[in-house]
Amino acid sequence: NAGVTQTPKFQVLKTGQSMTLQCAQDMNHEYMSWYRQDPGMGLRLIHYSVGAGITDQGEVPNGYNVSRSTTEDFPLRLLSAAPSQTSVYFCASSPTDPNTGELFFGEGSRLTVL
Amino acid sequence: QKEVEQDPGPLSVPEGAIVSLNCTYSNSAFQYFMWYRQYSRKGPELLMYTYSSGNKEDGRFTAQVDKSSKYISLFIRDSQPSDSATYLCAMSGGTDSWGKFQFGAGTQVVVTP
Repeated sequence: NAGVTQTPKFQVLKTGQSMTLQCAQDMNHEYMSWYRQDPGMGLRLIHYSVGAGITDQGEVPNGYNVSRSTTEDFPLRLLSAAPSQTSVYFCASSPTDPNTGELFFGEGSRLTVL
Repeated sequence: QKEVEQDPGPLSVPEGAIVSLNCTYSNSAFQYFMWYRQYSRKGPELLMYTYSSGNKEDGRFTAQVDKSSKYISLFIRDSQPSDSATYLCAMSGGTDSWGKFQFGAGTQVVVTP
């Protein structure tokens, strides 16, 4: 099983550029989410989805868009990249209620915005 | 002030020692408590999950939750060099919190042979 797959693993952007981080899972999980991880800040929730067509904001949603057209895919779009968005981004999914189940994380996408 | 506080370390221990990790939190609505392990340049993986107060043991790992003190702990017995990683606490619960977790900043643990 591939689990949660994130692409690209590394990306360098210039301020103002846009890009999409891809996330795909092959476990048929309804719940998917995006986190960013910064030194000293831990993981912070950006957006999450409880199923195809349903998304909601997390703690730090500004500057990011998401959509969920299929169960498998949950892309994260940066509309106009800023240096403050330099971070490691993790996608995670869960088979059931994530509060009582396990979050499965991808290996991360490392983004640098110059 | 962050809702979840965790000492970032690094915490260095000799092989075979007990590793003691903890987090404090301020939101009394938290009911679900988790510990994740994260190796360098990898995604976190779930180690332990506890609902409400109490202790839970799984092999060399013991998780404790004290809701009255808003304090959770993770103990690793007979530590091994392979336990060297960053350990993240996470918690959730309360109104409008479904699917939303608060993570600690993580404690880096180094187990030396």
